[in-house]
Amino acid sequence: QVQLVESGRGVVQPGGSLRLSCSASGFTFSSYAMHWVRQAPGKGLEWVALIPYDGTKQYYADSVKGRFTISRDNSTNTLYLQMNNLRPEDTAVYYCAKGMGSDSWNFDSWGQGTLVTVSS
Amino acid sequence: IVMTQTPLSLSVTPGQPASISCKSSQSLLNDVGRTYLQWYLQKPGQSPQLLIYEVSYRFSGVPDRFSGSGSGTDFTLKISRVEAEDVGIYYCMQSLQLPTFGGGTKVEIK
Repeated sequence: QVQLVESGRGVVQPGGSLRLSCSASGFTFSSYAMHWVRQAPGKGLEWVALIPYDGTKQYYADSVKGRFTISRDNSTNTLYLQMNNLRPEDTAVYYCAKGMGSDSWNFDSWGQGTLVTVSS
Repeated sequence: IVMTQTPLSLSVTPGQPASISCKSSQSLLNDVGRTYLQWYLQKPGQSPQLLIYEVSYRFSGVPDRFSGSGSGTDFTLKISRVEAEDVGIYYCMQSLQLPTFGGGTKVEIK
């Protein structure tokens, strides 16, 4: 079955950087779009970024555009999120999610999430 | 696209039906006739899980007491007979454009 395991949690100072990883198994990773979605403590869900199956394009929420970079390595079945110039409002649990198709903008499976805290 | 869910919370007696509304700020129908509206459930302490995609299609393993309906800008998730395991926060999400979620509806058991 689909398994998505995020890693890279940590506490970072404002202005700092962090890279999250998501290790995928149980499906043909290179055939599906992948997403990052976040949830601030006690808040709702916010979509963050999308990368299609082949990694040729990237899409971002306005709140992270220019600061975050989504990428993937289909040879190791790994999704990444490079987060730069972090702000306190980026504090959240970050989930990776599997798209429903090769360039799908909706998603059907989620990881367990990894907590990112931005604080001085 | 702004997604608005009502009610914010719902308290339901086991075995009774429940209904959640979701409205979008513009039509979610694309030019080939597909409507990109999904429903997710986040149970306490868990990651969200997909219930319904494209308005009315139940995802694999989702019980048939869950159903979705609607068109254009108005959508509804119905639970025919609420069970204790259905507690959590329900979110609608559009994916016609870059995805956006509704604010969530918290369902609890009376």
